[in-house]
This record gives sequence, structure tokens and C-alpha cells, in this order.
Amino acid sequence: KQEVTQIPAALSVPEGENLVLNCSFTDSAIYNLQWFRQDPGKGLTSLLLIQSSQREQTSGRLNASLDKSSGRSTLYIAASQPGDSATYLCAVDRDDKIIFGKGTRLHILP
Amino acid sequence: GAVVSQHPSRVICKSGTSVKIECRSLDFQATTMFWYRQFPKQSLMLMATSNEGSKATYEQGVEKDKFLINHASLTLSTLTVTSAHPEDSSFYICSARDPRGADGYTFGSGTRLTVV
Repeated sequence: KQEVTQIPAALSVPEGENLVLNCSFTDSAIYNLQWFRQDPGKGLTSLLLIQSSQREQTSGRLNASLDKSSGRSTLYIAASQPGDSATYLCAVDRDDKIIFGKGTRLHILP
Repeated sequence: GAVVSQHPSRVICKSGTSVKIECRSLDFQATTMFWYRQFPKQSLMLMATSNEGSKATYEQGVEKDKFLINHASLTLSTLTVTSAHPEDSSFYICSARDPRGADGYTFGSGTRLTVV
């Protein structure tokens, strides 16, 4: 059974710092991995999608990596801003079903 | 990119009544849509997979008679919470994947259900 774990569960950092969010999954047979952002009381916004054959994806200040063999992904946020405060969810796609981690609640201190 | 619209965003209902939530794929056809439930400060829990033209597939522990799913067209899936009780109060989110592209899953904006 696929399990997705995100570490840390919560993180507070001063504005301007670079930070890394971690995601691990137990079954490496995935189609892709997707990072989402969720603001309180809102739906999910897709940030980055990494296909199983890819190693990383970049979008602006965000960079996500994927090491399928070790079952790990990281989301790197450069030069963090207060507007980055949100919950970040990692999800793996397999068998037309996606499994979510519990998320990392990120708070950027002004 | 693909857009999924969910309605209503908030609903308050009395115990014992039923509530219908709609999920639409606006610019693509989705043979499959997914319904999730999220408790405060928890991750999303997959409730069921909605299949166009056939019965939904429910996850273990989800009452199919309580949460009725209908996927009558390629762009619309509905979730009806029947005989709602306060413990059904939660945040419900739907998602779908555009089969034409490689953008992964797109989510609706969610529905906050409060049963009083």
C-alpha cells in the first residue's frame, strides 16, 4: 500500500530564506508526483508536476526534484515571501488514483 | 490549463436534509472524477472515484448510501450528502485530470459543508 510522508509537518522561517520541503513515498512504481499548495479554506493549486521519467521541474522560485528509486521528492522554495505561507501537499499518482501526504504548513515571517 | 469548477463553495443545512455538490470540468471531458473529504488541518481523504456512465467506486469505510455520486455526463459529477448530520460537516473537494495533456490533476475550489 502506497504511503506518502511529508516532513516537516510545520515550518516557520523568516522572509527571504531558502527552504526545502520533503516528501517520501513507499512504492516507487508511480506515474508522476505532484506538488500542490492549499490556502486555508481553499482548494488545491497545482505547483509542479514531475513525470516518473523526469528528475526535476522548475517554476519561478520553485524547484521540485524526484528520485523515484529512493522514493523521495523535495520542493525547494527560493527567497521565501510572506505570500508563500500556505500548506504544501505532495501527491503521487498510481493506478489512476493519487495519494496525498499530510502536508507541510509553512509560515513565512515578515 | 484545465479548470474544474465546484459549486457551491459554502452551504449550511439542517440535520436530516440532503445537500448536492456539483463538480464540472470546464474545458475538457473527464470520464473520471474524484471526490475528497478534508477535516481541519488534515490531508485529503479520497472518498470515491466517479465514473461517467457507471457506478462510482467507493473507498473502504465510505457509506455509498450516505454519499451518492452521479456522473451523468463527461463534464459533470455530483456528490449528494443524504440525511446529513453534524458529523458530515467537512470540506469536500473534487478533482479531475485532463486526458489531453500532462498537467496532472486539477482540483475544484472546494465546498465547506456545515450541518446544524
